[in-house]
Amino acid sequence: SQQGEEDPQALSIQEGENATMNCSYKTSINNLQWYRQNSGRGLVHLILIRSNEREKHSGRLRVTLDTSKKSSSLLITASRAADTASYFCNTGKLIFGQGTTLQVKP
Amino acid sequence: IAGITQAPTSQILAAGRRMTLRCTQDMRHNAMYWYRQDLGLGLRLIHYSNTAGTTGKGEVPDGYSVSRANTDDFPLTLASAVPSQTSVYFCASSEGTGGTDTQYFGPGTRLTVL
Repeated sequence: SQQGEEDPQALSIQEGENATMNCSYKTSINNLQWYRQNSGRGLVHLILIRSNEREKHSGRLRVTLDTSKKSSSLLITASRAADTASYFCNTGKLIFGQGTTLQVKP
Repeated sequence: IAGITQAPTSQILAAGRRMTLRCTQDMRHNAMYWYRQDLGLGLRLIHYSNTAGTTGKGEVPDGYSVSRANTDDFPLTLASAVPSQTSVYFCASSEGTGGTDTQYFGPGTRLTVL
């Protein structure tokens, strides 16, 4: 299965701290994408990293990809209460895992 | 720019009734998808369409049907609803097919089958 599995399942931090969540997958990929889902809403695309890239930045987001370990990480720096959401990785197939639920406390 | 719209926002339905969830996109995307999201199970693909006139089955297609008469619309029909179909349903679209393209999601339809 190419399903990405997010870890941890839940994460609670204080505002201003950094949040790191991980994604592991099993087969080769063309790209890996991270999505965010606010409570009761649809998923929103955050960032795409291609298989030949190792790191990518977008604002306060930093994504790394290690194809040798079949893993990716999403780092949110200087977190805000508005970052409270679930985060999903997607490895190019139409399969989404359960996500990481992030709570940022004000 | 609306992106993807879904209707209704929520619905309570008696078991055995027929129900169609509507999905419309204005991005001229080729591919469209229907997912259901249940607590603890993530999103599961129900049906998909790579282009107008074609559809395919996803992970959990039983009890659901779809049609793709044109590029913009992708309705999902429950012919005879059952309580296990209580869920939140999301429609999505992408420019390309195969799942590697970025998907754009609608706001969801919360369906309760009693």
